[in-house]
This record gives sequence, structure tokens and C-alpha cells, in this order.
Amino acid sequence: GAGVSQSPSNKVTEKGKDVELRCDPISGHTALYWYRQRLGQGLEFLIYFQGNSAPDKSGLPSDRFSAERTGESVSTLTIQRTQQEDSAVYLCASSFLVWDTQYFGPGTRLTVL
Amino acid sequence: ELKVEQNPLFLSMQEGKNYTIYCNYSTTSDRLYWYRQDPGKSLESLFVLLSNGAVKQEGRLMASLDTKARLSTLHITAAVHDLSATYFCAVAPRGSQGNLIFGKGTKLSVKP
Repeated sequence: GAGVSQSPSNKVTEKGKDVELRCDPISGHTALYWYRQRLGQGLEFLIYFQGNSAPDKSGLPSDRFSAERTGESVSTLTIQRTQQEDSAVYLCASSFLVWDTQYFGPGTRLTVL
Repeated sequence: ELKVEQNPLFLSMQEGKNYTIYCNYSTTSDRLYWYRQDPGKSLESLFVLLSNGAVKQEGRLMASLDTKARLSTLHITAAVHDLSATYFCAVAPRGSQGNLIFGKGTKLSVKP
């Protein structure tokens, strides 16, 4: 079946602009995660959604970052007033239940000039 | 602060040789994951280890977990070029919502 999809695959923006990244999880997966991967580094957890529960925002690096999820489907990650240090690959993952294996999307490569 | 440390971070191997990648973590966890990432690609799940003493094998890769030592190993047997990739271990801290803490990854290069 279809895996996790993300769009756009690449995004180049100017410093100070807002960007919106989209994630479509695997159908039926209740948990959705956003991670950030800086060049040559491991992944940093950003935010987690589980069903209709309040999201776990503990990994968001600043109040410029926010995310929403509609039910158990699409999620969007918004970065306001982008900075050069926001340049990274943003990965979305979903899992059937909280502790199940997370399946990752292909990522969105964000470059802030 | 929770830490997940992998070593080595870079590994160059000859085909046919054996080697082990180590993953140490600093908090209590009952779940440890290994992922593979090819250049420019996303992460592919390899193993999920759920209990102390768990061992899983797939082809030339074998992963084990010692929760008392807070240590997982990924053993490579008779390496082949197709295994060249970056390998990440990740830990789900006990009490968390399943969000994973990743190591920095081990970049493996297998040469003929």
C-alpha cells in the first residue's frame, strides 16, 4: 500500500518568509511524528500527534514552529519567519499505534537563504 | 539529558569481513529501533527490539539488546557492498509518547 508521503520534496525560501510543509500518513495510522535532520546528524524529535489527544510539542525549538493535524490524516508543519538555522530535512513518520514501528516519509529538504 | 551514542560514527570495511556497531543510551527504555538510511533517501526500519536479551536477524545483520547495560549492538557478517548506508539506532524512553531519540548514525562503507 501507499507509504508516508510529504510535500514539497524541496523548498528554497528567503530568510524571514513563512513555509508550510505537508505530511500524509499511512491510512489507518493513529500516531504521527515530525522530526528534523540537520546535515550529517541524527534526527531530532519535534512534535507528536495521537488521535484526538493534545499533541506533544516538547521538541519544537521555538515558537516560530507550529503544527496541526486534521483527525488521523494530513498534518502540516509551519515555520514562521524562517532563519538560516532552520535549513534541514524535515521528516514525517506515522505508526499504527504509539509504540509500533514508525514508517518515515521521504522528507522535505528546506533551504533558507 | 537523554543521550544515545553510537560508535563508531564512520566505518570502512572490506567485503567479507565482520564488524559490530554499538549503541549506548542513558535512560530506561524497553524499546530500541535500528534504521537504515541510504544517501538522499528516507529511513527504512530494520529491527525493533522489545525486551532484554532480544536478538533479531535479517540476512547479514543481527541486532541484540541488553537493557541492563543499556546497550544494543548491530553485527554485520560477511559484509557486501549493498550494505553501505548510514545506520541509526533510536530509543523510545520509558514514559514517553513513542517519540524516538536518535543516535548520530554510523556511516558504513563496504569496499570490494
